[in-house]
Amino acid sequence: QKEVEQDPGPLSVPEGAIVSLNCTYSNSAFQYFMWYRQYSRKGPELLMYTYSSGNKEDGRFTAQVDKSSKYISLFIRDSQPSDSATYLCAMSAGQAGTALIFGKGTTLSVSS
Amino acid sequence: DSGVTQTPKHLITATGQRVTLRCSPRSGDLSVYWYQQSLDQGLQFLIQYYNGEERAKGNILERFSAQQFPDLHSELNLSSLELGDSALYFCASSPLGSGDTQYFGPGTRLTVL
Repeated sequence: QKEVEQDPGPLSVPEGAIVSLNCTYSNSAFQYFMWYRQYSRKGPELLMYTYSSGNKEDGRFTAQVDKSSKYISLFIRDSQPSDSATYLCAMSAGQAGTALIFGKGTTLSVSS
Repeated sequence: DSGVTQTPKHLITATGQRVTLRCSPRSGDLSVYWYQQSLDQGLQFLIQYYNGEERAKGNILERFSAQQFPDLHSELNLSSLELGDSALYFCASSPLGSGDTQYFGPGTRLTVL
């Protein structure tokens, strides 16, 4: 079993839809959870950063972490064509010497 | 713009050759990470340096090596290149070395012919 699982999609939605992106993980030591957005093989761009369980909201984006289920989500409200990209979840145990573990990414396409 | 710079943007070379990729972290960041991204493998962590010292190692081949210099820039050296080394190579930096967010550079696209 991979440490981080993410449905690769592709996911196609119309403009204005609510998008739900998800990742599951197996390592209970993970405490730091991030979502990155990557356009056309450019450098990943940090979207959301969450420590431990709970919700975090930033504009149209909401990140949720459920450590008991080892499940994290990113919700995008009122999706726009400019949101079309690959979304990568990433997580870390946070101890010195540990690295970010990434999901393979979900490709999202928002049509106008 | 994340503040992390990488050179060159593109590199085309032949099998068996050696190349050096360069990364300058964001101002003030002490930690540098190197990742490889291929179409089938996703983002794979290679190695991390913190303030000049190797901090963590991932799936880095013995043909690959890296270092971080006193001015905190880092270089990734890839030698005896094979076709399968063709990928995007990203550098990321963070203020500390654990648990904090990483900011990625634009990447170097390596093509081995």
